[in-house]
Amino acid sequence: EVKLEESGGGLVQPGGSMKLSCAASGFTFSDAWMDWVRQSPEKGLEWVAEIRSKANNHATYYAESVKGRFTISRDDSKSSVYLQMNSLRAEDTGIYYCTGLRLWFAYWGQGTLVTVSA
Amino acid sequence: NIMMTQSPSSLAVSAGEKVTMSCKSSQSVLYSSNQKNYLAWYQQKPGQSPKLLIYWASTRESGVPDRFTGSGSGTDFTLTISSVQAEDLAVYYCHQYLSSRTFGGGTKLEIK
Repeated sequence: EVKLEESGGGLVQPGGSMKLSCAASGFTFSDAWMDWVRQSPEKGLEWVAEIRSKANNHATYYAESVKGRFTISRDDSKSSVYLQMNSLRAEDTGIYYCTGLRLWFAYWGQGTLVTVSA
Repeated sequence: NIMMTQSPSSLAVSAGEKVTMSCKSSQSVLYSSNQKNYLAWYQQKPGQSPKLLIYWASTRESGVPDRFTGSGSGTDFTLTISSVQAEDLAVYYCHQYLSSRTFGGGTKLEIK
């Protein structure tokens, strides 16, 4: 059974930092492209970042709205993917989903809520 | 960026009826080298994460009931539910993965 379990969400002040983690199981993680997608009532579903497999040199890609502030990384030995979020803004508030596999998103976690507010 | 526009934003139908919903992209998502449309559909039920239904515009994910059908090419795509069931109450999203990744705004399906 495939499982993606996010952790690390919560309340953070504007300008602050937060790191999200996602632990994966049930599939060959090292071959998977992994992504973070967020959802808010205002913006709907919004792709945030992607990290590809070792075969693709762990290439990373970001949405323009988070480029320079967020960093996606992975540890294949732990079957985990991470999202380091810096300089957080109110508009970064939302549910953050760990997702992936390849070009489309076959697997999804249950999501973790990030609230950016003073 | 490729923008995705879904319509209608919501619709209400009775169980057993046929439903169609539209997704239009601002640029073609058909990749000429392999003639594949880089488009997927997801279903998000209340309180749940999105679930993959369709990829390559018309390939049904394993385990998805055959009442769900994806069609279209280029910039115009359709998701059809041949006979809606009460359990199909959800928001449906399209997603292009040709250039970066973008989602449509969703179509909310309600059951009368």
